[in-house]
Amino acid sequence: AQTIHQWPVAEIKAVGSPLSLGCTIKGKSSPNLYWYWQATGGTLQQLFYSITVGQVESVVQLNLSASRPKDDQFILSTEKLLLSHSGFYLCAWSPNRGAEQYFGPGTRLTVL
Amino acid sequence: QQKVQQSPESLTVSEGAMASLNCTFSDGTSNNFRWYRQHSAKGLEVLVSIFSDGEKEEGRFTAHLNRANLHVSLHIREPQPSDSAVYLCAVSMSNYNVLYFGSGTKLTVEP
Repeated sequence: AQTIHQWPVAEIKAVGSPLSLGCTIKGKSSPNLYWYWQATGGTLQQLFYSITVGQVESVVQLNLSASRPKDDQFILSTEKLLLSHSGFYLCAWSPNRGAEQYFGPGTRLTVL
Repeated sequence: QQKVQQSPESLTVSEGAMASLNCTFSDGTSNNFRWYRQHSAKGLEVLVSIFSDGEKEEGRFTAHLNRANLHVSLHIREPQPSDSAVYLCAVSMSNYNVLYFGSGTKLTVEP
């Protein structure tokens, strides 16, 4: 069975500090991977997707970047956090394009 | 850009009564429609996916799609208090890699 793990579970960071959020999928080779963001009380927005190692496509510009260093790993990062980056970050995977997306448990980010 | 709107914003039903949720989308070329459930800012649970006009049932959850009317609905049969959550409609277009979500309907099922 496939499992998706996100880290950390929650993070409190200062404005201007760097950020790195991670996502790992086990039990599935070459998954499509996705990052989503949800502001408190807001709509879930897709940020990035990746169909293969080393390739990442941006969907929404939020002064964030994403990388896929390994087949089973997706990283979301920024060098300087903004207050507006606060929210809930979800990683998802699908076996191929157009298939069901399965979501991780999420990371709660608070920027102060 | 795709606009996905859900109604009502919140809905309260009694245990056992049918719950009906609505979703409209703006792009008629959309061809993948999914309903998800989210409990208290946790991960999403997929409930039902539908790709062609008509009806699709998954257990107590039934989705109805009418692409001509740009409308997809979710009906929950015999809802339980444990079904209380935020229900999200998600729509994708022909490129499949981008999913657009509505703002959700908060469902409360009272015993």
